[in-house]
Amino acid sequence: DSGVTQTPKHLITATGQRVTLRCSPRSGDLSVYWYQQSLDQGLQFLIQYYNGEERAKGNILERFSAQQFPDLHSELNLSSLELGDSALYFCASSEGSPGMNEKLFFGSGTQLSVL
Amino acid sequence: LAKTTQPISMDSYEGQEVNITCSHNNIATNDYITWYQQFPSQGPRFIIQGYKTKVTNEVASLFIPADRKSSTLSLPRVSLSDTAVYYCLVGDDYGGSQGNLIFGKGTKLSVKP
Repeated sequence: DSGVTQTPKHLITATGQRVTLRCSPRSGDLSVYWYQQSLDQGLQFLIQYYNGEERAKGNILERFSAQQFPDLHSELNLSSLELGDSALYFCASSEGSPGMNEKLFFGSGTQLSVL
Repeated sequence: LAKTTQPISMDSYEGQEVNITCSHNNIATNDYITWYQQFPSQGPRFIIQGYKTKVTNEVASLFIPADRKSSTLSLPRVSLSDTAVYYCLVGDDYGGSQGNLIFGKGTKLSVKP
């Protein structure tokens, strides 16, 4: 158990809908990262938050947004969903000293299926 | 960005030692080398990290030559449960202003009985 909790584990929805994925980081971790993994694809970095502030953006679509709350949990919002958004979405956390080399701890992911 | 190249797949048998080599020719002075393991439908799990020479833990060893342009993850006496994708990452920052720690497609290791 990595200590990172993601909910829900599975999500099935229709095109055009909006969903929210939730992540609770390990106790004490300040950084939260979101990744997308499609079939046969590597992990695509979406966005990182550090102590409530956005720190870095990767290949995140404009239809997607995220935030980190004062209690450090994070939510990833996906809107106007398309079939191609079907993927495993992982959250990871780290102690979060910016610029320092770190180890990521991943949650078990949310499997999103857009029908 | 320090790009990494690793084999797409490898096959092995139970009980053998497996060595997965990662090339990173343009590694920077501040970059660390980190390996993760991922089982199907699970998040990646940190295995080992090093900067130079050799690092060993209870799971694996990491060999890094003096020029640091490559590294080798060594898994001793693999079992069926070691079947997974192994990612080599080179950098010093997963996100940040550079976000140079990138997960590629990794090496898919298949261990056979």
